[in-house]
Amino acid sequence: GQQVMQIPQYQHVQEGEDFTTYCNSSTTLSNIQWYKQRPGGHPVFLIQLVKSGEVKKQKRLTFQFGEAKKNSSLHITATQTTDVGTYFCAGPVGNEKLTFGTGTRLTIIP
Amino acid sequence: DTGVSQNPRHKITKRGQNVTFRCDPISEHNRLYWYRQTLGQGPEFLTYFQNEAQLEKSRLLSDRFSAERPKGSFSTLEIQRTEQGDSAMYLCASSLATGRLYEQYFGPGTRLTVT
Repeated sequence: GQQVMQIPQYQHVQEGEDFTTYCNSSTTLSNIQWYKQRPGGHPVFLIQLVKSGEVKKQKRLTFQFGEAKKNSSLHITATQTTDVGTYFCAGPVGNEKLTFGTGTRLTIIP
Repeated sequence: DTGVSQNPRHKITKRGQNVTFRCDPISEHNRLYWYRQTLGQGPEFLTYFQNEAQLEKSRLLSDRFSAERPKGSFSTLEIQRTEQGDSAMYLCASSLATGRLYEQYFGPGTRLTVT
């Protein structure tokens, strides 16, 4: 079945440093979604990318979908303490359900 | 609050007991999903409904698990004869699906502890 892996598993950064998480799927994806889960919270939808090579920005967050539609990345510029949490990518299986990645847990050192 | 709600938020039960969780999705959403999440892992798909029809069940869902969405609104997830391995966060999500897979909105989850 479809597998979605993320690296790194953990990332500790100084506040103000940049952060990047990478997502790789074993199969070509029709689209990819990103979610953020704060400690003790539930996943919250951030964005969906559909087109090959698509790049979308949300303030300090930049999301990219690979040309082959098998990988994606999330880059955060100048991290803040509010960015703490686990970031998950998720790829659809058909038009029915999502397979979530393994997640990257971001901690910020003030 | 018009988001997804789940009850109870926490459940502690003894091994062998039955438990039932409830999920109330966003009212206009036709799809409802159940996931299980253990510490340090991403949500794992369990089952989903389109309106009142249960369209898929994961192999993770043993015969002790059953889910219903009787009127296409709220859903229940029942676990019979609970085992310690069932301890996890059970998340419900809803979405509007009309031809493509839209974003999912998650509830706060029910944390199950089986002692």
